[in-house]
Amino acid sequence: QVQLVQSGAEVKKPGASVKVSCKASGYTFTSYGISWVRQAPGQGLEWMGWISAYNGNTNYAQKLQGRVTMTTDTSTSTAYMELRSLRSDDTAVYYCARGSPGATTYYFDYWGQGTLVTVSS
Amino acid sequence: SYVLTQPPSVSVAPGQTARITCGGNNIGSKSVHWYQQKPGQAPVLVVYDDSDRPSGIPERFSGSNSGNTATLTISRVEAGDEADYYCQVWDSSSDHEVFGGGTKLTVL
Repeated sequence: QVQLVQSGAEVKKPGASVKVSCKASGYTFTSYGISWVRQAPGQGLEWMGWISAYNGNTNYAQKLQGRVTMTTDTSTSTAYMELRSLRSDDTAVYYCARGSPGATTYYFDYWGQGTLVTVSS
Repeated sequence: SYVLTQPPSVSVAPGQTARITCGGNNIGSKSVHWYQQKPGQAPVLVVYDDSDRPSGIPERFSGSNSGNTATLTISRVEAGDEADYYCQVWDSSSDHEVFGGGTKLTVL
């Protein structure tokens, strides 16, 4: 069965960086893209960006451009999301999600369990 | 950027029908996907491409999309349907995915 398993919770100081991993199993990793979505405490879902596991092409949310980098390691079927220059408002649960092609766009049919990143001095 | 508007909350009695709307400019021209999120859990896809259901999702969940409004309909609502629901589309002008603000469904 398809599974996305994320790395554990992180506590970081303002200005630091965090790198979250998302290990995929149960499907051909390079046949799907991975999106990253975050959710601040008590808030809604925010799309952060997408990476093609096939060729590494990326598309980042404009507000995070310059601070976020998404990569994949096809040898281990793992996607990574690195966020730099962390601020307190980056405190959130970070999810990876598999993007499946729909009629005209992608939908997220499998999600990781989430990784809580806390930014605090 | 493209904005999706959802009501913050919807309440319904068990056995009744819940309708959760997602408003956007000419959203009927886009494909809309819906997610259910229970407290402390990751979101779950319940409807994709306006009205298709993933395997394992009950037929009580259905969707429609026309004009400026997409709707998720939950028939014969059960206590276990209580959750937050989010709509999602792809905005071609920004090439970004967009989520609605979410709707909290309360089963009375």
